Amino acid sequence: EAGVAQSPRYKIIEKRQSVAFWCNPISGHATLYWYQQILGQGPKLLIQFQNNGVVDDSQLPKDRFSAERLKGVDSTLKIQPAKLEDSAVYLCASSRLRGTAGELFFGEGSRLTVL
Amino acid sequence: AQRVTQPEKLLSVFKGAPVELKCNYSYSGSPELFWYVQYSRQRLQLLLRHISRESIKGFTADLNKGETSFHLKKPFAQEEDSAMYYCALVYGQNFVFGPGTRLSVLP
Repeated sequence: EAGVAQSPRYKIIEKRQSVAFWCNPISGHATLYWYQQILGQGPKLLIQFQNNGVVDDSQLPKDRFSAERLKGVDSTLKIQPAKLEDSAVYLCASSRLRGTAGELFFGEGSRLTVL
Repeated sequence: AQRVTQPEKLLSVFKGAPVELKCNYSYSGSPELFWYVQYSRQRLQLLLRHISRESIKGFTADLNKGETSFHLKKPFAQEEDSAMYYCALVYGQNFVFGPGTRLSVLP
C-alpha cells in the first residue's frame, strides 16, 4: 500500500510569512495526526483528527497554527504568521484504528526553516 | 502530566556488544508502550509494542510497571541497528514520544 504522503519536503520562509503543509494518509486510515519535531527533540503532537473531526488540538498554538481535514481524507496544516521557533520538521501520521489500538504510519516530514 | 524520558541522547557500542536503550514513563493508569525507530534517510516506523511481547530484529522490551520502565534490549548489536530510537507512551487516544536516543554501533 502507498505510504503517507507529505509535501513540500522542504520550505524556507522569513518570519511573519505564512506556510502550508499537505498530508495524504494511507487509504482507509481514519485517524490523522500532525506532529512537530524540533531538532534534538521527540515528536510533539499538534493535532489529531478522527475522520474530519478534531479529537485533540490542546497543544496547537491556535493564534498562528490551523489545520483542517475537510473531507476526512487529506489534511492541511497552516502557520501564519511564522516565528523563528517554528523551525522544525512537521510530521504527518495516520492510523487505521482509533486511539491506542493502531500503529502510527509516518510520512517523510516537511522541514521548515524560518529565517 | 504524562511524560516519557530517555536519559541517553547518544549511545555508542561496538558491534556484537549488548545494548540497552532506557525508557521511563510517568502515567498513573495502564500504559501502552511502543518503540519507534528512524534509520538514516527513512521515515519513523514502529519497531515493537509491549502488548505483542515479540522480538523484532533481535530487540525485546519488557514493561516494568514497578519501575515505570520499558527498556529496549538486544544481546548482540549490529551496525545496521544504528538509528534514532523513540519510546512512546499511549494513553487514551494520545501518543507521547520521548526525546529519543541515537544508537551508534561501531565496527
